[in-house]
Amino acid sequence: DQQVKQNSPSLSVQEGRISILNCDYTNSMFDYFLWYKKYPAEGPTFLISISSIKDKNEDGRFTVFLNKSAKHLSLHIVPSQPGDSAVYFCAARGDSGSARQLTFGSGTQLTVLP
Amino acid sequence: EPEVTQTPSHQVTQMGQEVILRCVPISNHLYFYWYRQILGQKVEFLVSFYNNEISEKSEIFDDQFSVERPDGSNFTLKIRSTKLEDSAMYFCASPRRPSGPAGTGELFFGEGSRLTVL
Repeated sequence: DQQVKQNSPSLSVQEGRISILNCDYTNSMFDYFLWYKKYPAEGPTFLISISSIKDKNEDGRFTVFLNKSAKHLSLHIVPSQPGDSAVYFCAARGDSGSARQLTFGSGTQLTVLP
Repeated sequence: EPEVTQTPSHQVTQMGQEVILRCVPISNHLYFYWYRQILGQKVEFLVSFYNNEISEKSEIFDDQFSVERPDGSNFTLKIRSTKLEDSAMYFCASPRRPSGPAGTGELFFGEGSRLTVL
């Protein structure tokens, strides 16, 4: 049951260039999508989110795009910096149940090369 | 930024032993979550706790698992008889809002407790 999928386990980008991380989902009832960043031996850290009724949200160097018809979202980081090197998880919030827990993808390891 | 703290940072145990992991969530928040991440895999939902009761739980959260709030501020995740496949990072999390997961759904995660079952 992979409702949230990140098909690229890794991505390498040159410093200063754009990083694009992709995520696909199958449940059309998710109401929020989030990106988390995770360093080794630390908990996931919230990065940016987008409501299912929006198609774009921007916060500084980070922009998330949502294509509902394709059930696809992407995270753009520009310009990429070496400190951005981490595992990035896409997550989606369920619309049912009181707890509205997050469903995570398997993560993409981003490496930004100096 | 709000803090969620977890102890121990790493625990090594023998298969079949009981393990208790502890978390101090953001104070005065009604909702509380446990997630886990097996090495190299995705972060998986285990259980949510609302107002001193389990709210929802995943298929992973079987009879070997229990969650309690022993003293009103700390939460514990107990695994009664650990198995090799329980080896993972266990994360607790609090929502941004005290009343629950409204808004963006953002959760604040603790740094995790690494459980190694031998």
